[in-house]
Amino acid sequence: GAGVSQSPSNKVTEKGKDVELRCDPISGHTALYWYRQSLGQGLEFLIYFQGNSAPDKSGLPSDRFSAERTGGSVSTLTIQRTQQEDSAVYLCASSPNRYEQYFGPGTRLTVT
Amino acid sequence: GQQVMQIPQYQHVQEGEDFTTYCNSSTTLSNIQWYKQRPGGHPVFLIQLVKSGEVKKQKRLTFQFGEAKKNSSLHITATQTTDVGTYFCAGTFFNDYKLSFGAGTTVTVRA
Repeated sequence: GAGVSQSPSNKVTEKGKDVELRCDPISGHTALYWYRQSLGQGLEFLIYFQGNSAPDKSGLPSDRFSAERTGGSVSTLTIQRTQQEDSAVYLCASSPNRYEQYFGPGTRLTVT
Repeated sequence: GQQVMQIPQYQHVQEGEDFTTYCNSSTTLSNIQWYKQRPGGHPVFLIQLVKSGEVKKQKRLTFQFGEAKKNSSLHITATQTTDVGTYFCAGTFFNDYKLSFGAGTTVTVRA
């Protein structure tokens, strides 16, 4: 079946611009996570959605970052007024049960 | 804060040799998962361990969860070039549901 998809695969933006990153989770998966991975580094947790519960935003690095999940399915991560330190690969993962996570291919964001 | 530490950061292995990567936590884990990320790819779920002292095998890969549920290891025998990539452990703590990822062990293989 279809896996997690993310778009765009690559995004180059100028410093100060806003960007939106999209994640389509596996159908039926109730949990959705966003992570950030800088070059050669591990995964940094950003935000977690579970069903209709309030999201866990504890990993968002600043108030420039926000995310929403509409209808319990598609999620959008928005970064406002991008900075160069925001450059990274943004990974989305979904899970059927809060355990194993299935990752999308990621969006590589470059802020110039 | 609660963290999962992983060593070594890099592992250079001769093809055919064995190696082990280790994952440690100062706090008891509810469960631990292992993921593999190929160069240029995204993390792919390998396995989950839940029980104290649990050992699971996948072909040449052996995963172990410590008795105290504070550490885990991944042992690969007879390394092949297909084993190249970064192996992450990720643990869940009892008072949390998020996965805490280790920094990963990046494996390169010399043919």
